Amino acid sequence: EAQVTQNPRYLITVTGKKLTVTCSQNMNHEYMSWYRQDPGLGLRQIYYSMNVEVTDKGDVPEGYKVSRKEKRNFPLILESPSPNQTSLYFCASSLGTSGNEQFFGPGTRLTVL
Amino acid sequence: QKEVEQNSGPLSVPEGAIASLNCTYSDRGSQSFFWYRQYSGKSPELIMFIYSNGDKEDGRFTAQLNKASQYVSLLIRDSQPSDSATYLCAVTNYGGSQGNLIFGKGTKLSVKP
Repeated sequence: EAQVTQNPRYLITVTGKKLTVTCSQNMNHEYMSWYRQDPGLGLRQIYYSMNVEVTDKGDVPEGYKVSRKEKRNFPLILESPSPNQTSLYFCASSLGTSGNEQFFGPGTRLTVL
Repeated sequence: QKEVEQNSGPLSVPEGAIASLNCTYSDRGSQSFFWYRQYSGKSPELIMFIYSNGDKEDGRFTAQLNKASQYVSLLIRDSQPSDSATYLCAVTNYGGSQGNLIFGKGTKLSVKP
C-alpha cells in the first residue's frame, strides 16, 4: 500500500530531551516536507526536501533539523525541544513537480512539558 | 512575510447548494495554487491545483484563479454532508512544483442535510 508513515504517532517529552520523529514513504517520491499545525495558526512548513541531500527551510525552521540521506526517509530532529514546539506534526511527500498530489502522513502529536 | 488569507468560517450551506471558498495571497510571484481538504482529526488531502488564470473543473469542484487580483477560489457544486471539512488554500512560487508551500488557516465548511 502506498503510504507515508510517521513514528511515533504520539509523544510526550520534557524540555531539552532530544527527539527524532521519523518519516518514511514507499512511493519513490522526490519531494518530502514537514509541517506543524497549531490552532489559529494553521499549517506551517518547517523544512522541505526536493531530493536526496537537498533540503531547504520553510517558514518556521527554528529549533528543528532535518536530513535526507535516502530518498524514502526524512526524519525531523528536535535537538532541544521546548514547550512552544508542542504541536501536531505532519510529514508529506510527492513526486515534486507539476502539482502532483502531496500525500500526508497520519500526523505526530507532540507534547513538550 | 508571504501571506495566504482565508475566511475562517464556518461557512454553512444546505445540501445540494454551491459552496464558494475564497483565498487571497500576498506574493505576486506565486505561481502554483492548491486546495486541500482536511477532515477533523485527519491529514490534509489534495483536491485540486491550478497554475493558469481562469477556471479548472474536476467533477463537482471548480478552482478559479485571478493572478491580477491575487485571488483563488474553490466552488463545490451539489454540496454533500460528506464535504463538511476544513478547506486549506496553499500557494508556492515554484512553478509546477510544491517547494516552499504556504498554507492559509483554512475555511471550515458545514453542509447541512
